[in-house]
Amino acid sequence: SQQGEEDPQALSIQEGENATMNCSYKTSINNLQWYRQNSGRGLVHLILIRSNEREKHSGRLRVTLDTSKKSSSLLITASRAADTASYFCATGTTDSWGKLQFGAGTQVVVTP
Amino acid sequence: GAVVSQHPSWVICKSGTSVKIECRSLDFQATTMFWYRQFPKQSLMLMATSNEGSKATYEQGVEKDKFLINHASLTLSTLTVTSAHPEDSSFYICSAPGTLFTDTQYFGPGTRLTVL
Repeated sequence: SQQGEEDPQALSIQEGENATMNCSYKTSINNLQWYRQNSGRGLVHLILIRSNEREKHSGRLRVTLDTSKKSSSLLITASRAADTASYFCATGTTDSWGKLQFGAGTQVVVTP
Repeated sequence: GAVVSQHPSWVICKSGTSVKIECRSLDFQATTMFWYRQFPKQSLMLMATSNEGSKATYEQGVEKDKFLINHASLTLSTLTVTSAHPEDSSFYICSAPGTLFTDTQYFGPGTRLTVL
């Protein structure tokens, strides 16, 4: 079963704008990861944040985690057309090592 | 980074036939691999955990006799969809952790299965 929800389901922005998407989950987690999937392709790992971390940065990506609210957000700054993809959050738990439960995903379209 | 390959990248088969999908870790060993299924415009759903040298463990609701998993070596896991039906048409993706007990998974490029 899916862990939780992502919103928005779809996001359309122009190049240079920031894109923010949110992920909520239901159970206690060990870590939360964000992945990108281009249409019809495999997943690319973007960033991992552990349950004892609150914020993490990687290049133009910023991830926050609020375990009290069981939610996370992914911010892509200064978006580019190449950022067009679906973005998924996935949670991992201590007692199910390696298994990931994915959110529903956010489809992002960045127009030039 | 670690690379995971899948073969074939796409396959079309007739209803009632069996299809084998391979998942390989190219530059690292993986004692555990995971198989996911993704229907169009939906998220990934974990199907099973493939364990080298032992039986696979299946998620609730996944028929183990229909989706046969064999983890023959430290770099290869196969998923066989037996007696495939149109409702099995989906995108099948495998993943493997890059190193033991790392939380990051490396995903294969996926296999598009279409059952006619």
